[in-house]
Amino acid sequence: AQSVTQLGSHVSVSEGALVLLRCNYSSSVPPYLFWYVQYPNQGLQLLLKYTTGATLVKGINGFEAEFKKSETSFHLTKPSAHMSDAAEYFCAVSGPGRRALTFGSGTRLQVQP
Amino acid sequence: NAGVTQTPKFRILKIGQSMTLQCAQDMNHNYMYWYRQDPGMGLKLIYYSVGAGITDKGEVPNGYNVSRSTTEDFPLRLELAAPSQTSVYFCASTIALAGGPGELFFGEGSRLTVL
Repeated sequence: AQSVTQLGSHVSVSEGALVLLRCNYSSSVPPYLFWYVQYPNQGLQLLLKYTTGATLVKGINGFEAEFKKSETSFHLTKPSAHMSDAAEYFCAVSGPGRRALTFGSGTRLQVQP
Repeated sequence: NAGVTQTPKFRILKIGQSMTLQCAQDMNHNYMYWYRQDPGMGLKLIYYSVGAGITDKGEVPNGYNVSRSTTEDFPLRLELAAPSQTSVYFCASTIALAGGPGELFFGEGSRLTVL
């Protein structure tokens, strides 16, 4: 079975500050890992994904995430928060033989001016 | 390019009524999914399909049914609606990669209230 834990249902940062959203996963097979973003009243959009290869993955809007197998983590970071980053962020896991993604419970990011 | 289209966007049902949420995609994706989103709970998989004529249960299938007669369409039927089915429903689709599903493309969601 696979699962995802996102630590912190709400994160608040100041504009220009570092964004760090935490994701830990559990998987019995090599995982594929994803971060999605959801803006109000919209569906989810892919930010970035890790499948194989380089463990540091860069995504859209300046976000990046690092796959750390030893820590079973895939934390999302952005060096400098912008007001437009305010949204809900979901970590998800899949893997070989899996046909669907398992999502975490989400982290709502608030950016203060 | 429409992507994933869900209808209706909003619906209010009375307890015991039935309805169908429609989902269509025009990207020739073989995998399609229905998720429900409840506050603080993330997305829970209801049903999914890996191709026409093939469907399978997800994490929370009770009270729902699906069919997949074409590649494009994946309707979700609610039989005997209950207040616990009040939620936002998302349809998504993707292509299959060698190791699992690719990027999921989501519809805009259908907000269902059961009173």
